[in-house]
Amino acid sequence: DGGITQSPKYLFRKEGQNVTLSCEQNLNHDAMYWYRQDPGQGLRLIYYSQIVNDFQKGDIAEGYSVSREKKESFPLTVTSAQKNPTAFYLCASGSTGYTYGYTFGSGTRLTVV
Amino acid sequence: GDSVTQMEGPVTLSEEAFLTINCTYTATGYPSLFWYVQYPGEGLQLLLKATKADDKGSNKGFEATYRKETTSFHLEKGSVQVSDSAVYFCALSDHNAGGTSYGKLTFGQGTILTVHP
Repeated sequence: DGGITQSPKYLFRKEGQNVTLSCEQNLNHDAMYWYRQDPGQGLRLIYYSQIVNDFQKGDIAEGYSVSREKKESFPLTVTSAQKNPTAFYLCASGSTGYTYGYTFGSGTRLTVV
Repeated sequence: GDSVTQMEGPVTLSEEAFLTINCTYTATGYPSLFWYVQYPGEGLQLLLKATKADDKGSNKGFEATYRKETTSFHLEKGSVQVSDSAVYFCALSDHNAGGTSYGKLTFGQGTILTVHP
């Protein structure tokens, strides 16, 4: 079945560490997105990519980095520069043509310990 | 820029009550409109969509009509169930006249719905 897979489901980070969240899709979607969701809050866009080897900053890119070396993969690194990284991270993919909406992964919950 | 505004929550209803969650939008192009649902601890799932004015999206008893004249896309359900308890997000994706997306969805802030037996 086609879908989008995020891993791990839960992740714990120590202060000063970089961590990488995985996002893989087999939907043949051109575009991929990373969102952050804080408790009781909406979604805030971190980064997005519409084509391999290209990506754009979203509304809250500071302290995060991404790469898009393959169409299927869009990993997100939360760097030590992100001062408040505890949140629920959602990856999504979609077509860049006439939109049918996004397909979301099941999320990664990141906690700083 | 594009924006989506949802009614303030949370919304608490009794089972079999009528549900309305208001959503209004601003967009510069030709937006498609969506409702997503998020159950606790999960990602978002597409609930329904409408891609042009006067279209009605429907799924699982939920409905929403794309009203260009009022820039609205209100979500309704005639009889809610306890299993409908979730967070509901309204969203839009803007396009040019040729249907090419401008690249990203814009989400509302979400509305928490709790349904009691």
